[in-house]
Amino acid sequence: QKEVEQNSGPLSVPEGAIASLNCTYSDRGSQSFFWYRQYSGKSPELIMFIYSNGDKEDGRFTAQLNKASQYVSLLIRDSQPSDSATYLCAGDNYGQNFVFGPGTRLSVLP
Amino acid sequence: DTGVSQNPRHKITKRGQNVTFRCDPISEHNRLYWYRQTLGQGPEFLTYFQNEAQLEKSRLLSDRFSAERPKGSFSTLEIQRTEQGDSAMYLCASSSRQIEAFFGQGTRLTVV
Repeated sequence: QKEVEQNSGPLSVPEGAIASLNCTYSDRGSQSFFWYRQYSGKSPELIMFIYSNGDKEDGRFTAQLNKASQYVSLLIRDSQPSDSATYLCAGDNYGQNFVFGPGTRLSVLP
Repeated sequence: DTGVSQNPRHKITKRGQNVTFRCDPISEHNRLYWYRQTLGQGPEFLTYFQNEAQLEKSRLLSDRFSAERPKGSFSTLEIQRTEQGDSAMYLCASSSRQIEAFFGQGTRLTVV
């Protein structure tokens, strides 16, 4: 059973701080990983994906992947109240579909 | 708007009735996915198509659920004899390759 695990939170950070969101996965066969942001009552919105070990940066977001540890993370620099949402981590399932974690609720306090 | 489009946005139905949802993917995307999401949970995979071929169905998908994608364009998801446990957000996503999948706005189903 392929699983993606996340701490459900809520994770609270002050405005301007770095938010660190973590995700672990059970299947070493997963090659690509995705971070989605989901506002309450809305559908998931793709933030970024990563498939190589190391860091990938896009604006205020940095995704980190460590395949040996089966660990993926998302860092949000200079957090804003508008970043308050649920962040979903997903891994690909042998190129067939995507397996999602339960999501981590992030609250950025003004 | 050239994103993934889902209709209807909301559906309230009585238990035992049939419902059908529609998804129009991004036009050049050949893969289309259906997911279901309940409150506090991540999206749960239901089924996916590559062009018109349905390549995988979740074991969680009961016989009351059926999906089609005629001509590899839009897709429909039908739920027969709805039950209260079917109440959820039904999400459709599309991708042109197994790298990035983009979601539609979702259809929120409430079975009363």
